[in-house]
Amino acid sequence: GAVVSQHPSRVICKSGTSVKIECRSLDFQATTMFWYRQFPKQSLMLMATSNEGSKATYEQGVEKDKFLINHASLTLSTLTVTSAHPEDSSFYICSARGSWGRNKNEQFFGPGTRLTVL
Amino acid sequence: DAKTTQPPSMDCAEGRAANLPCNHSTISGNEYVYWYRQIHSQGPQYIIHGLKNNETNEMASLIITEDRKSSTLILPHATLRDTAVYYCIVSVSNDMRFGAGTRLTVKP
Repeated sequence: GAVVSQHPSRVICKSGTSVKIECRSLDFQATTMFWYRQFPKQSLMLMATSNEGSKATYEQGVEKDKFLINHASLTLSTLTVTSAHPEDSSFYICSARGSWGRNKNEQFFGPGTRLTVL
Repeated sequence: DAKTTQPPSMDCAEGRAANLPCNHSTISGNEYVYWYRQIHSQGPQYIIHGLKNNETNEMASLIITEDRKSSTLILPHATLRDTAVYYCIVSVSNDMRFGAGTRLTVKP
C-alpha cells in the first residue's frame, strides 16, 4: 500500500509554544488529507479535512485558530498547534486520500505524532 | 455515514480463526464497509473493504450479510501480532470516522 509519513514522531514542548507536525504522502498524490486526534484509551477523533489549495474544514468543537492546517501541495499537509497547553497533549494522526490511479479514493494513515505539552 | 456497533473486546486463541462482528443496520446502498486495525501507539492499518460481495485478501476475509446490515471480519489463523483494536467503518465518502472498535487479544 501507499506510504504516509509524519514528522516528528514524538515532540515535547513547553506550555505556550507552537508545534508544527508534517504529514507527507511519499509515493502518491493526495488531494485530501485528514487530521485526527487520539487521547489515551480512546478512539480516533476526526479534527479536520484539508483539500490542497483551499481552507480546511474543521469538525464541530475543533478550534480552527488553535489548530492551523496548511495543505500547500499534493504531498504535504501541516498541522500547527498554537499556544499549546497540557490538555493538547495527545496522539495526532494524519491520513491521505489518493487522488488518482490505483490509490484513488483509498485512505492511508500515517504513523502518528505523540505531542506532550509540559 | 451510518453508525456501527462492535463488541468492546474479544479473545482468540493463537492459531484459531478470529471472527469479529459488526452491526451497521442503517447502512445505505452506496456505503462501503471498511475494516482497519490499530496496534498500540501506531497509526491505523487498512485491512479490507467491501460493498456487498464477500471479499478476501492476504490479511483477512470480509463476510457481508445479504441485507448488508452486518458484517464479519475473519482472521483465519490469528497470531499474537494480530492483537489490536479493530475498527469497522461504513462510509460513502471515504471520510473515516472511527467508533470505539473491538479490542482483540490473541492468547498463546
